[in-house]
Amino acid sequence: GQNIDQPTEMTATEGAIVQINCTYQTSGFNGLFWYQQHAGEAPTFLSYNVLDGLEEKGRFSSFLSRSKGYSYLLLKELQMKDSASYLCAVRRLSGNTGKLIFGQGTTLQVKP
Amino acid sequence: NAGVTQTPKFRVLKTGQSMTLLCAQDMNHEYMYWYRQDPGMGLRLIHYSVGEGTTAKGEVPDGYNVSRLKKQNFLLGLESAAPSQTSVYFCASSFFPEVEREPYNEQFFGPGTRLTVL
Repeated sequence: GQNIDQPTEMTATEGAIVQINCTYQTSGFNGLFWYQQHAGEAPTFLSYNVLDGLEEKGRFSSFLSRSKGYSYLLLKELQMKDSASYLCAVRRLSGNTGKLIFGQGTTLQVKP
Repeated sequence: NAGVTQTPKFRVLKTGQSMTLLCAQDMNHEYMYWYRQDPGMGLRLIHYSVGEGTTAKGEVPDGYNVSRLKKQNFLLGLESAAPSQTSVYFCASSFFPEVEREPYNEQFFGPGTRLTVL
């Protein structure tokens, strides 16, 4: 089967750094995605990892360790607008369907 | 480009009523998906389509039907709505995951439909 775990809620301070962890158990791993979702809005793509290591995109970075079934999303220089849910999703090798399995999401609250 | 659009944005149904949710995309994507999102449950895949005229079941298909008669449209039907189908429904689309294209072929999401079944 497959299982994806993320913390339900996190709180951080404006200007700080926060790390959101995601652990997964799945067969046929073919990539891990992070999406951002503001309340009442659609998820939007943030980052993608398929090989081990760190991918950096401005204030956001994402890390993957396939052997440990572990990823994290790192947000630097937090801004109030970063208050949102962050969704971890795993893609499996399943006949090229592109299907994603999502974790339940981590709600991040950024405080002044 | 409008990207992925969904109609309607909101709907209230009574138990036993039927309705169809429409998803349209103008990005020429081959793949389309329907998800539902419930508090504490994350996004769960209902049905998906890998091309015009083809559909397949996802994680939670019971009580729903879909059709993909045109490449740009993906319809989700509820034949006899139940209170358990109260949820926010998201449609998404993506390219066929070829290495020659963007390496990640992420899914693009529509704005969602908030459905309440009384």
